[in-house]
Amino acid sequence: GAGVSQTPSNKVTEKGKYVELRCDPISGHTALYWYRQSLGQGPEFLIYFQGTGAADDSGLPNDRFFAVRPEGSVSTLKIQRTERGDSAVYLCASSLTGATGELFFGEGSRLTVL
Amino acid sequence: GEDVEQSLFLSVREGDSSVINCTYTDSSSTYLYWYKQEPGAGLQLLTYIFSNMDMKQDQRLTVLLNKKDKHLSLRIADTQTGDSAIYFCAENFSSWGPRMYSGGGADGLTFGKGTHLIIQP
Repeated sequence: GAGVSQTPSNKVTEKGKYVELRCDPISGHTALYWYRQSLGQGPEFLIYFQGTGAADDSGLPNDRFFAVRPEGSVSTLKIQRTERGDSAVYLCASSLTGATGELFFGEGSRLTVL
Repeated sequence: GEDVEQSLFLSVREGDSSVINCTYTDSSSTYLYWYKQEPGAGLQLLTYIFSNMDMKQDQRLTVLLNKKDKHLSLRIADTQTGDSAIYFCAENFSSWGPRMYSGGGADGLTFGKGTHLIIQP
């Protein structure tokens, strides 16, 4: 497709389980971002990639969160030992170069931890 | 650290102008942005302004920037029901961390909490 694709759109899991969220950016976009949006809040920066490497992971809340982008395209956000406080919409965005902040967002993956 | 503040709700009558305000803290931001989020949809870039500009107009949208006061506003003329959404103000930050890759740093965005624009008939 032409836009940023995220799967799954909804994920319900139990506390303590492992979760993977996938993002397929716009073809040719070198920069890829993960944000988290809790109810009533703005998107909170987690991590971004320039190509295959994490250029800034300062927003990851703790070491239970990890993200990869092994071939410089699709990215996976991984959350270990999920907690109820991890419940949020996880947004992925991509940008042609990352230089201007013009981000194209996916519709998000809604994670609910019971 | 960076912080972006905006009021949570704005209610206007259809046909009137809407003015959404935002304050930010990072004076080194190169660009400032307005994003729009409609129910069930992803964020969409509406417009942005370079930090050395005072004003930018794009059809019904006017962005005003007061860099001295770190104040940004978005005016929507002739507000329509389709304008009903959450509007996010955002400023960019540059990352020059130890794992910076070739080609220079890239910019992330810090968002406000969003202003819900409610249109009254």
